[in-house]
Amino acid sequence: EDQVTQSPEALRLQEGESSSLNCSYTVSGLRGLFWYRQDPGKGPEFLFTLYSAGEEKEKERLKATLTKKESFLHITAPKPEDSATYLCAVGGATNKLIFGTGTLLAVQP
Amino acid sequence: DGGITQSPKYLFRKEGQNVTLSCEQNLNHDAMYWYRQDPGQGLRLIYYSQIVNDFQKGDIAEGYSVSREKKESFPLTVTSAQKNPTAFYLCASSTQGGRYEQYFGPGTRLTVT
Repeated sequence: EDQVTQSPEALRLQEGESSSLNCSYTVSGLRGLFWYRQDPGKGPEFLFTLYSAGEEKEKERLKATLTKKESFLHITAPKPEDSATYLCAVGGATNKLIFGTGTLLAVQP
Repeated sequence: DGGITQSPKYLFRKEGQNVTLSCEQNLNHDAMYWYRQDPGQGLRLIYYSQIVNDFQKGDIAEGYSVSREKKESFPLTVTSAQKNPTAFYLCASSTQGGRYEQYFGPGTRLTVT
C-alpha cells in the first residue's frame, strides 16, 4: 500500500536556526515526490517536484532532497514568514497523489 | 492570470440539505481533483477526473457526487448522505499522470449544523 509519513508533526525554531523536515514513503513505482507549503485557511502552494534519488532542488531558504526511501526539506536560516505547514506527497502508478499529514513549522523571531 | 478558483470561500448549510461547491481552472489541465482536509489528517481524495465526461471515485466518495461537463469546471455536490460534511474542501488540477504536480485552489470551508 502506498504510504507517506512526515516527521516531526510540529517543529518550533528560532529565527536563523536551520533544520530539516522528513518525508518517508513507500510507493509502487515512484513517478514524483512533491513538496507543498500551506498557510492557515488557504490551499497548498506547490514548492518542488523530485523525480529520482539523488535529485536536489532549491528555492530561497528551502532545499529538497530525495533518496529511494525518503525526502528531506532543509530550511536554512529560517525567518518568521517561513512559518506554515509543509506537506509531502508522492505520485505512483496511478494518477493520484498520496499526501502525508504535514509538519507544522513555527519560526519565532 | 492562470489559476484555480473556488467559490464560495465560506459556506453554511443546515443538516439534510445538499450543497454544491464550485471549482474552475484556466490552466488548460486535463485532470481535476477534489480533496477533503480535516484537522490532523492528510488530504483525502474524494473524486477525480482525468478527462471531460469521465470521473472516478477516490478514497472517500460516499455522500459526494461530481460532474465534468467542461474541461474548466469540476463542481462537487455534498449530499445529505454525507455523515460528517463539515470540513475544508480543496480542488486541484494537473497535467495527466502521477508525475505532475497538482495546483490547488484557495479552498471552501463548509459548515453544516
